[in-house]
Amino acid sequence: KAGVTQTPRYLIKTRGQQVTLSCSPISGHRSVSWYQQTPGQGLQFLFEYFSETQRNKGNFPGRFSGRQFSNSRSEMNVSTLELGDSALYLCASRGQVNTEAFFGQGTRLTVV
Amino acid sequence: KNEVEQSPQNLTAQEGEFITINCSYSVGISALHWLQQHPGGGIVSLFMLSSGKKKHGRLIATINIQEKHSSLHITASHPRDSAVYICAVTYNTDKLIFGTGTRLQVFP
Repeated sequence: KAGVTQTPRYLIKTRGQQVTLSCSPISGHRSVSWYQQTPGQGLQFLFEYFSETQRNKGNFPGRFSGRQFSNSRSEMNVSTLELGDSALYLCASRGQVNTEAFFGQGTRLTVV
Repeated sequence: KNEVEQSPQNLTAQEGEFITINCSYSVGISALHWLQQHPGGGIVSLFMLSSGKKKHGRLIATINIQEKHSSLHITASHPRDSAVYICAVTYNTDKLIFGTGTRLQVFP
């Protein structure tokens, strides 16, 4: 059974640009959540999706958005990138609510 | 004050030692997760528990709901156990709230 796949693994962008990150959950999993990890703030929750519906959103500015498709794949988008957006972005999938989370390897975004 | 507190922040051990990492949380939860993160970033779920105790190989996780406290134990530690161990909680959603992590280094 394939794990959670995040693409791309590494990304370098310039301030002001926008970026789209992708997360393909484990087959059959309908829940996808996104997290940002930085040295200063640690791991912080971004979004939670279940069956194409956003069920929860973290305390991030509107430049951060996401969506989930009918095949459960999810994307997150960050517009007007700032230096502080440099981070490891992780997604996790679950089969059902409140079950074990399976994480992808993450996308390391560097904004220069 | 962080909702999830972990201790210690850093831990150094000799191979073979018994290791304990602690996690405390402030309000009632639906589940507590212990996660492992190696350099490079990938996170692996070790345990998810809402009561009692779970064991997997040399790893043991316990939770005391009344005291709002959980512990992760590693028996016979090995250098390959060196990683960051993270405690996280959920409240009937899939939103994980994380502790700050414990960096463990095990020396041969």
